[in-house]
Amino acid sequence: KAGVTQTPRYLIKTRGQQVTLSCSPISGHRSVSWYQQTPGQGLQFLFEYFSETQRNKGNFPGRFSGRQFSNSRSEMNVSTLELGDSALYLCASSTLTSGGAREQFFGPGTRLTVL
Amino acid sequence: GQQVMQIPQYQHVQEGEDFTTYCNSSTTLSNIQWYKQRPGGHPVFLIQLVKSGEVKKQKRLTFQFGEAKKNSSLHITATQTTDVGTYFCAGQGDFGNEKLTFGTGTRLTIIP
Repeated sequence: KAGVTQTPRYLIKTRGQQVTLSCSPISGHRSVSWYQQTPGQGLQFLFEYFSETQRNKGNFPGRFSGRQFSNSRSEMNVSTLELGDSALYLCASSTLTSGGAREQFFGPGTRLTVL
Repeated sequence: GQQVMQIPQYQHVQEGEDFTTYCNSSTTLSNIQWYKQRPGGHPVFLIQLVKSGEVKKQKRLTFQFGEAKKNSSLHITATQTTDVGTYFCAGQGDFGNEKLTFGTGTRLTIIP
Protein backbone atom coordinates (compact mmCIF):
# COMPACT_ATOMS: atom_id res chain seq x y z
CA LYS A 1 0.00 0.00 0.00
CA ALA A 2 1.18 3.50 -0.72
CA GLY A 3 1.80 5.60 2.35
CA VAL A 4 0.36 8.94 3.32
CA THR A 5 1.34 11.64 0.88
CA GLN A 6 1.47 15.36 1.50
CA THR A 7 1.90 18.19 -0.94
CA PRO A 8 3.72 20.41 -1.22
CA ARG A 9 6.73 19.27 0.79
CA TYR A 10 8.14 22.74 1.22
CA LEU A 11 6.49 26.13 1.10
CA ILE A 12 7.65 29.68 1.66
CA LYS A 13 5.07 32.39 2.24
CA THR A 14 5.02 35.91 3.58
CA ARG A 15 3.02 37.27 6.47
CA GLY A 16 -0.60 37.94 5.66
CA GLN A 17 -0.80 35.38 2.88
CA GLN A 18 -2.83 32.23 3.04
CA VAL A 19 -1.80 28.66 2.33
CA THR A 20 -3.48 25.35 1.52
CA LEU A 21 -1.84 22.04 2.31
CA SER A 22 -3.00 18.71 0.95
CA CYS A 23 -2.96 15.21 2.36
CA SER A 24 -3.84 11.90 0.71
CA PRO A 25 -4.37 9.14 3.26
CA ILE A 26 -3.57 5.47 2.92
CA SER A 27 -6.18 3.75 0.80
CA GLY A 28 -9.06 2.63 2.98
CA HIS A 29 -8.28 5.00 5.83
CA ARG A 30 -11.15 7.35 6.48
CA SER A 31 -9.73 9.26 9.44
CA VAL A 32 -7.27 12.07 8.79
CA SER A 33 -5.63 14.15 11.50
CA TRP A 34 -3.43 17.21 11.21
CA TYR A 35 -0.63 18.20 13.56
CA GLN A 36 1.68 21.17 13.83
CA GLN A 37 5.22 20.39 14.90
CA THR A 38 7.61 23.06 16.13
CA PRO A 39 10.84 22.69 18.10
CA GLY A 40 9.42 24.47 21.10
CA GLN A 41 5.88 23.07 21.21
CA GLY A 42 6.27 19.53 19.99
CA LEU A 43 3.35 17.91 18.19
CA GLN A 44 0.18 19.95 18.53
CA PHE A 45 -3.14 18.52 17.37
CA LEU A 46 -5.01 20.70 14.89
CA PHE A 47 -8.07 18.70 13.88
CA GLU A 48 -9.35 15.31 12.84
CA TYR A 49 -11.75 14.46 10.05
CA PHE A 50 -13.73 11.33 9.46
CA SER A 51 -16.16 10.83 6.59
CA GLU A 52 -15.97 14.50 5.68
CA THR A 53 -16.90 15.59 9.22
CA GLN A 54 -14.65 17.23 11.76
CA ARG A 55 -14.57 14.89 14.78
CA ASN A 56 -12.10 16.68 16.99
CA LYS A 57 -10.49 20.07 17.09
CA GLY A 58 -7.40 21.36 18.84
CA ASN A 59 -6.79 24.75 20.40
CA PHE A 60 -5.82 26.74 17.36
CA PRO A 61 -7.30 30.04 16.18
CA GLY A 62 -9.95 30.17 13.50
CA ARG A 63 -7.30 31.05 10.92
CA PHE A 64 -6.64 27.32 10.80
CA SER A 65 -9.31 25.35 9.01
CA GLY A 66 -9.62 22.08 7.22
CA ARG A 67 -11.88 19.87 5.24
CA GLN A 68 -12.13 16.34 3.98
CA PHE A 69 -13.42 15.17 0.65
CA SER A 70 -15.50 12.12 -0.19
CA ASN A 71 -12.36 10.23 -1.25
CA SER A 72 -10.90 10.90 2.25
CA ARG A 73 -8.29 13.32 0.94
CA SER A 74 -7.95 16.29 3.23
CA GLU A 75 -6.81 19.87 3.00
CA MET A 76 -5.92 22.37 5.65
CA ASN A 77 -5.88 26.09 5.17
CA VAL A 78 -4.15 28.78 7.12
CA SER A 79 -5.21 32.34 6.44
CA THR A 80 -3.46 35.57 7.35
CA LEU A 81 -0.17 33.84 8.01
CA GLU A 82 1.95 34.89 10.96
CA LEU A 83 5.64 34.30 11.57
CA GLY A 84 4.74 31.87 14.35
CA ASP A 85 2.96 29.63 11.86
CA SER A 86 6.33 28.46 10.54
CA ALA A 87 6.37 24.77 11.31
CA LEU A 88 6.24 21.26 9.99
CA TYR A 89 2.63 20.31 9.31
CA LEU A 90 2.03 16.61 9.57
CA CYS A 91 -0.93 14.70 8.34
CA ALA A 92 -1.77 11.26 9.70
CA SER A 93 -4.34 8.75 8.57
CA SER A 94 -5.82 5.87 10.48
CA THR A 95 -8.61 3.38 10.69
CA LEU A 96 -11.08 3.47 13.53
CA THR A 97 -11.63 0.66 15.96
CA SER A 98 -14.59 0.02 18.25
CA GLY A 99 -12.45 1.13 21.18
CA GLY A 100 -11.54 4.39 19.48
CA ALA A 101 -7.84 3.60 19.68
CA ARG A 102 -6.08 3.95 16.39
CA GLU A 103 -2.54 3.82 15.09
CA GLN A 104 -1.58 6.94 13.21
CA PHE A 105 0.30 6.65 9.92
CA PHE A 106 2.12 9.90 9.31
CA GLY A 107 3.02 11.52 6.04
CA PRO A 108 6.39 13.20 5.43
CA GLY A 109 4.99 16.61 6.31
CA THR A 110 4.92 20.02 4.70
CA ARG A 111 7.60 22.40 5.90
CA LEU A 112 6.05 25.89 5.94
CA THR A 113 8.24 28.93 6.34
CA VAL A 114 6.62 32.32 6.85
CA LEU A 115 8.81 35.34 6.15
CA GLY B 1 -7.79 19.97 28.80
CA GLN B 2 -5.76 16.82 28.83
CA GLN B 3 -2.02 17.30 29.13
CA VAL B 4 0.69 14.73 28.56
CA MET B 5 4.17 15.40 29.86
CA GLN B 6 7.33 13.47 29.12
CA ILE B 7 10.64 13.40 30.91
CA PRO B 8 13.42 13.83 30.30
CA GLN B 9 13.31 16.24 27.38
CA TYR B 10 16.79 15.19 26.26
CA GLN B 11 18.91 12.16 27.02
CA HIS B 12 22.47 11.48 25.94
CA VAL B 13 23.71 7.96 26.57
CA GLN B 14 26.80 5.97 25.76
CA GLU B 15 26.15 3.22 23.25
CA GLY B 16 25.29 0.08 25.15
CA GLU B 17 23.72 1.91 28.10
CA ASP B 18 20.05 1.68 28.91
CA PHE B 19 17.52 4.47 28.32
CA THR B 20 14.12 5.21 29.83
CA THR B 21 11.53 7.87 29.05
CA TYR B 22 8.49 8.53 31.20
CA CYS B 23 5.09 9.80 30.20
CA ASN B 24 2.49 11.28 32.57
CA SER B 25 -1.06 12.30 31.80
CA SER B 26 -3.18 14.76 33.74
CA THR B 27 -6.21 12.53 33.18
CA THR B 28 -6.95 8.82 32.94
CA LEU B 29 -6.29 7.39 29.50
CA SER B 30 -8.16 4.76 27.55
CA ASN B 31 -4.95 3.83 25.79
CA ILE B 32 -1.47 5.10 25.11
CA GLN B 33 0.63 4.86 21.97
CA TRP B 34 4.35 5.30 21.44
CA TYR B 35 6.01 6.75 18.37
CA LYS B 36 9.59 7.22 17.21
CA GLN B 37 10.71 10.07 15.01
CA ARG B 38 14.15 9.85 13.44
CA PRO B 39 15.98 13.13 12.73
CA GLY B 40 14.46 14.67 9.62
CA GLY B 41 11.70 12.07 9.53
CA HIS B 42 8.13 11.71 10.62
CA PRO B 43 6.71 9.88 13.64
CA VAL B 44 6.41 6.13 13.22
CA PHE B 45 4.10 4.04 15.37
CA LEU B 46 5.81 1.63 17.75
CA ILE B 47 3.13 0.17 19.99
CA GLN B 48 -0.20 0.67 21.73
CA LEU B 49 -1.04 -0.20 25.32
CA VAL B 50 -4.64 -0.54 26.44
CA LYS B 51 -4.86 -2.47 29.70
CA SER B 52 -4.00 -1.27 33.17
CA GLY B 53 -0.55 -2.52 34.18
CA GLU B 54 0.15 -3.83 30.68
CA VAL B 55 3.74 -4.61 29.72
CA LYS B 56 4.81 -5.25 26.15
CA LYS B 57 8.22 -6.01 24.71
CA GLN B 58 9.69 -5.49 21.27
CA LYS B 59 13.22 -6.89 21.19
CA ARG B 60 15.21 -4.43 23.33
CA LEU B 61 12.23 -2.13 23.95
CA THR B 62 9.91 -2.58 26.94
CA PHE B 63 6.71 -0.57 27.26
CA GLN B 64 4.62 -0.26 30.42
CA PHE B 65 1.21 1.22 31.14
CA GLY B 66 0.59 2.26 34.71
CA GLU B 67 -2.01 0.67 36.95
CA ALA B 68 -3.97 3.91 37.11
CA LYS B 69 -3.68 4.34 33.32
CA LYS B 70 -2.20 7.80 33.77
CA ASN B 71 1.44 7.04 33.13
CA SER B 72 3.64 4.98 30.88
CA SER B 73 7.27 4.28 30.24
CA LEU B 74 9.54 3.11 27.45
CA HIS B 75 12.78 1.38 28.35
CA ILE B 76 15.49 0.52 25.84
CA THR B 77 18.13 -1.99 26.89
CA ALA B 78 21.67 -1.72 25.54
CA THR B 79 21.10 1.22 23.20
CA GLN B 80 22.43 1.17 19.66
CA THR B 81 23.09 4.01 17.24
CA THR B 82 19.91 3.05 15.38
CA ASP B 83 17.91 4.05 18.47
CA VAL B 84 18.67 7.74 17.88
CA GLY B 85 15.55 9.87 17.56
CA THR B 86 12.73 11.45 19.49
CA TYR B 87 10.29 9.20 21.30
CA PHE B 88 6.76 10.42 21.79
CA CYS B 89 3.95 9.00 23.82
CA ALA B 90 0.41 9.82 22.77
CA GLY B 91 -2.60 9.34 25.00
CA GLN B 92 -6.25 9.12 24.21
CA GLY B 93 -8.77 10.24 26.79
CA ASP B 94 -11.11 7.93 28.58
CA PHE B 95 -14.32 8.88 26.84
CA GLY B 96 -13.76 7.24 23.49
CA ASN B 97 -13.22 8.91 20.14
CA GLU B 98 -11.16 11.60 21.77
CA LYS B 99 -8.17 13.08 20.06
CA LEU B 100 -4.68 11.80 20.64
CA THR B 101 -2.62 14.11 22.79
CA PHE B 102 1.08 13.80 22.16
CA GLY B 103 3.65 14.13 24.87
CA THR B 104 6.47 16.62 24.63
CA GLY B 105 8.90 13.95 23.46
CA THR B 106 12.29 12.72 24.62
CA ARG B 107 15.17 13.25 22.27
CA LEU B 108 17.72 10.44 22.51
CA THR B 109 21.25 10.83 21.26
CA ILE B 110 23.82 8.05 21.38
CA ILE B 111 27.51 8.59 22.02
CA PRO B 112 29.38 5.88 20.07
